Amino acid sequence: GAGVSQSPSNKVTEKGKDVELRCDPISGHTALYWYRQSLGQGLEFLIYFQGNSAPDKSGLPSDRFSAERTGGSVSTLTIQRTQQEDSAVYLCASSLAPVSGNTIYFGEGSWLTVV
Amino acid sequence: QKEVEQNSGPLSVPEGAIASLNCTYSDRGSQSFFWYRQYSGKSPELIMSIYSNGDKEDGRFTAQLNKASQYVSLLIRDSQPSDSATYLCAVKPAGNYGQNFVFGPGTRLSVLP
Repeated sequence: GAGVSQSPSNKVTEKGKDVELRCDPISGHTALYWYRQSLGQGLEFLIYFQGNSAPDKSGLPSDRFSAERTGGSVSTLTIQRTQQEDSAVYLCASSLAPVSGNTIYFGEGSWLTVV
Repeated sequence: QKEVEQNSGPLSVPEGAIASLNCTYSDRGSQSFFWYRQYSGKSPELIMSIYSNGDKEDGRFTAQLNKASQYVSLLIRDSQPSDSATYLCAVKPAGNYGQNFVFGPGTRLSVLP
């Protein structure tokens, strides 16, 4: 596609429910990133995928968070047993192979509100 | 821990003035540096990238990089109210973190008409 596509754009869920957020990267981009941004805060790295390599999960805040990337393209971020502190915008980004010089492009984000 | 630091602001400048945004980073081996602009409620968008010491100009924007001082800045000339946004500095560290872009907390810029 022309840009990074994320869905849903907005999600309100009850505390304790599971949510899935989807990201469709720019066509041809092998690297995919998930970031989280709480209101008024900076970007918090969550997870990174590059091709068929094992993902870098070092930013996932707890074992309630997981992500997968099928076929090297679409990625799904899953949050189990959501908590109110999970409320944030979840930003997906993609780039060409992560060599120096390749920058990342963001989707519009999925705004998650846990009530 | 790879760190990128920015003054959170807000930085207020009058319309037409030069806005100067600064960023320091901890990983001396970093090679790629980026400035993103983020309007309230929107996702970050790339403004500039810089890889070599010195200045890089693009329209009203100039990025400056000094690797010896581990410092990168963004100058906005003839600032406009539409430039009011949060500016994020991003650094691509070397080494095992080479895959990850590390973002600073952002500087909020307000251009006053």
